[in-house]
Amino acid sequence: QVQLQESGPGLVKPSETLSLTCAVSGYSISSDSWWGWIRQPPGKGLEWIGSIYHSGNTHYNPSLQSRVSMSTDTSKNQFSLKLSSVTAADTAVYYCARQTISAWWFDPWGQGTLVTVSS
Amino acid sequence: QSALTQPASVSGSPGQSITISCTGTSSDVGSYNLVSWYQQHPGKAPKVMIYEVSKRPSGVSNRFSGSKSGNTASLTISGLQAEDEADYYCCSYVRGDALVFGGGTKLTVL
Repeated sequence: QVQLQESGPGLVKPSETLSLTCAVSGYSISSDSWWGWIRQPPGKGLEWIGSIYHSGNTHYNPSLQSRVSMSTDTSKNQFSLKLSSVTAADTAVYYCARQTISAWWFDPWGQGTLVTVSS
Repeated sequence: QSALTQPASVSGSPGQSITISCTGTSSDVGSYNLVSWYQQHPGKAPKVMIYEVSKRPSGVSNRFSGSKSGNTASLTISGLQAEDEADYYCCSYVRGDALVFGGGTKLTVL
């Protein structure tokens, strides 16, 4: 079955760039799906960050658009997130997920990875 | 875009039915049948329970159902069970190719 696994540094300094990768197994990211990133600050709700198609087409949350960049690596069957100029407000559990094409819902999700922004 | 509005908490006794509302605008919930609902247990990743307003993914109990009227979508859980106690989030497509989540509702099974 499809499985997703996030990886990356658990601690990032303020003003630096947060970088995460999502490795996909059991399904080719080049297949007919989008791939998304969602985050959840501790004790708070979910926030959509953005989504990417294997061709490189992207959709970003307007509130984060100026700081977000996503990419895919089809040779490694993974996709990545970069969030620049981070502050403490970017501290969250970051999830990656498969997004059903043209229906805009996510299944399955990765287990999530906590990223803390602190000096 | 602003988060969709959900009640902070709802509760019900085992066997009862509860409904969680999710209010948006004419730019999201009101104009598109692209509302999904997610269940999240503490420390776990969210799991989709409903997509496209009222469709259930394979494996999700038929005790979960979804509907929409105007700018408000709803999730109904019938025959409440202890295992249903969790946080629930709605999510909607937003005009301009974006997504917005609700603030989340904590369901307590009494």
